[in-house]
Amino acid sequence: DTEVTQTPKHLVMGMTNKKSLKCEQHMGHRAMYWYKQKAKKPPELMFVYSYEKLSINESVPSRFSPECPNSSLLNLHLHALQPEDSALYLCASKPREVAEYNEQFFGPGTRLTVL
Amino acid sequence: GESVGLHLPTLSVQEGDNSIINCAYSNSASDYFIWYKQESGKGPQFIIDIRSNMDKRQGQRVTVLLNKTVKHLSLQIAATQPGDSAVYFCAVYSGGYQKVTFGTGTKLQVIP
Repeated sequence: DTEVTQTPKHLVMGMTNKKSLKCEQHMGHRAMYWYKQKAKKPPELMFVYSYEKLSINESVPSRFSPECPNSSLLNLHLHALQPEDSALYLCASKPREVAEYNEQFFGPGTRLTVL
Repeated sequence: GESVGLHLPTLSVQEGDNSIINCAYSNSASDYFIWYKQESGKGPQFIIDIRSNMDKRQGQRVTVLLNKTVKHLSLQIAATQPGDSAVYFCAVYSGGYQKVTFGTGTKLQVIP
């Protein structure tokens, strides 16, 4: 298995809803990432997990709550989002140590719409 | 902070021609560079990388050139095909950071 999977592919939620995005990889990668990508913009880093521990939080609002239950799974819990949070949310994983220079493998993303 | 930019937001090329996509960065301490391709509705896909101790690296139909003096890198695609149509991002990795900073992106359109 050489891919990163993300579910759901699409999500529509109201501002009072609670939902979660899921990311999974079975490549043995020990670094996992969440990115937010607005239309026609580059991905913006949100969170980095290294060996299941949060190592970077790019000043993301608390309405986004990441969780890494194990080395293969990464969740992003969403609560009280705003319409401007509508975007493509990308998950990525990376082999070996986080600080080593090698590429990230991206999932297809979850298209989130907040009404 | 890192500033990563692309010279052209959109590039149109004839099928079979070579494509060149450029990228400038600002941090002279940047030491690892990646080109990603993102097709519509998909996540970014790794194309090729280069470390700062190299000037050139070649892959299948792609070549990345790095000029550290002027803080510029380019992606050359030989014999561009319709399947190359996508947005291309340069990404810069600076020592001590656990992240990649993406450039603004260039949309490559291949004309059949």
